[in-house]
Amino acid sequence: GAVVSQHPSWVICKSGTSVKIECRSLDFQATTMFWYRQFPKQSLMLMATSNEGSKATYEQGVEKDKFLINHASLTLSTLTVTSAHPEDSSFYICSAGGGTGEGSPLHFGNGTRLTVT
Amino acid sequence: GNSVTQMEGPVTLSEEAFLTINCTYTATGYPSLFWYVQYPGEGLQLLLKATKADDKGSNKGFEATYRKETTSFHLEKGSVQVSDSAVYFCALSHNTGNQFYFGTGTSLTVIP
Repeated sequence: GAVVSQHPSWVICKSGTSVKIECRSLDFQATTMFWYRQFPKQSLMLMATSNEGSKATYEQGVEKDKFLINHASLTLSTLTVTSAHPEDSSFYICSAGGGTGEGSPLHFGNGTRLTVT
Repeated sequence: GNSVTQMEGPVTLSEEAFLTINCTYTATGYPSLFWYVQYPGEGLQLLLKATKADDKGSNKGFEATYRKETTSFHLEKGSVQVSDSAVYFCALSHNTGNQFYFGTGTSLTVIP
């Protein structure tokens, strides 16, 4: 089945530094990828939709200058958390769809645990 | 609009108990419905899906039936195991652009 690889699985960084998270579709091409943030008590928040070759679409309330998204190829999207602060500590998950037909599922990476000290 | 409502957790069951996690949805048109499972420290995995009314999705002993009349997609399992402890998400999609709408998740803990 379709596999989405996310890297790193965890990262600890100091306040004020930037962190890049990669999301790759390993065996399929993804023109669209999605970035989620998962808060305590498990709720998923869609942050942005990453479109290959064009600008990402951010959800309301998500700072696009803080969470930089680049989707330079059909198999890679990156999320960069710039000037990270402790409140950015969270679990970030990417996903990609393997198709647009009826019942096409989203495939998820294993997530990245970001801790900002 | 589109939204998914699922029962609040956490849910704690003894091994071999019967599981039901309720999920209802609001949608325009005829969405596809999904259940995803998230094990601790991992991303979400597709558990099962159904694409039209009265379809039953099933996998690993879990089942859910697409009920259009009640706009529901309740997840059931006849006999849960400790290894089923996870967070379960109900979701819908209209199959265009992979836009998904997720419920808030239900945490399940199965105790021996």
